[in-house]
Amino acid sequence: DQQVKQNSPSLSVQEGRISILNCDYTNSMFDYFLWYKKYPAEGPTFLISISSIKDKNEDGRFTVFLNKSAKHLSLHIVPSQPGDSAVYFCAASGRGSARQLTFGSGTQLTVLP
Amino acid sequence: NAGVTQTPKFRVLKTGQSMTLLCAQDMNHEYMYWYRQDPGMGLRLIHYSVGEGTTAKGEVPDGYNVSRLKKQNFLLGLESAAPSQTSVYFCASSYYSQETQYFGPGTRLLVL
Repeated sequence: DQQVKQNSPSLSVQEGRISILNCDYTNSMFDYFLWYKKYPAEGPTFLISISSIKDKNEDGRFTVFLNKSAKHLSLHIVPSQPGDSAVYFCAASGRGSARQLTFGSGTQLTVLP
Repeated sequence: NAGVTQTPKFRVLKTGQSMTLLCAQDMNHEYMYWYRQDPGMGLRLIHYSVGEGTTAKGEVPDGYNVSRLKKQNFLLGLESAAPSQTSVYFCASSYYSQETQYFGPGTRLLVL
């Protein structure tokens, strides 16, 4: 029973265009959401996060949108660059002493030059 | 700062053998975590620790044990390796209950 789902295993986008990565969740107790980026043979690195009290958070070229009623979040990358090619993981956490993260299965983004 | 380091980077085991994976962090983080990543799946939490001397079970703890004798180190042990434990193992750490976890580069384990 996957509580965090990334239904698109892969996405290809032309350089300079917008990349939109999607993530759905089922657990209504989740109140904090994160995106991690992972290059081959490296560990995931934190990219951006959003609290459930917000519906949007921006950091440079990266924007995360949260739609609580739909239990859906998305990551927008504008403009996309070849260096953005990586696997992107959506993660969520709920109230609890350790704030355990539940990860989605990841989306491989390829930005074509 | 080295951040989070993991030893070894790659290991091949035979079924039934034991081994210990070492994770070290130099950021003075309280929380440490062990995950496994399998093809087509996200990272799944094996065990975690909220401070020196503490450990707790995550989502997939069976077949693994952990110890946190020193704040900077978190060890993951496999007492009797099974082919189902073939995976890439990631260690992570974070400040208290902050959600931003910093990950190590991973250990690739193959159990034959």
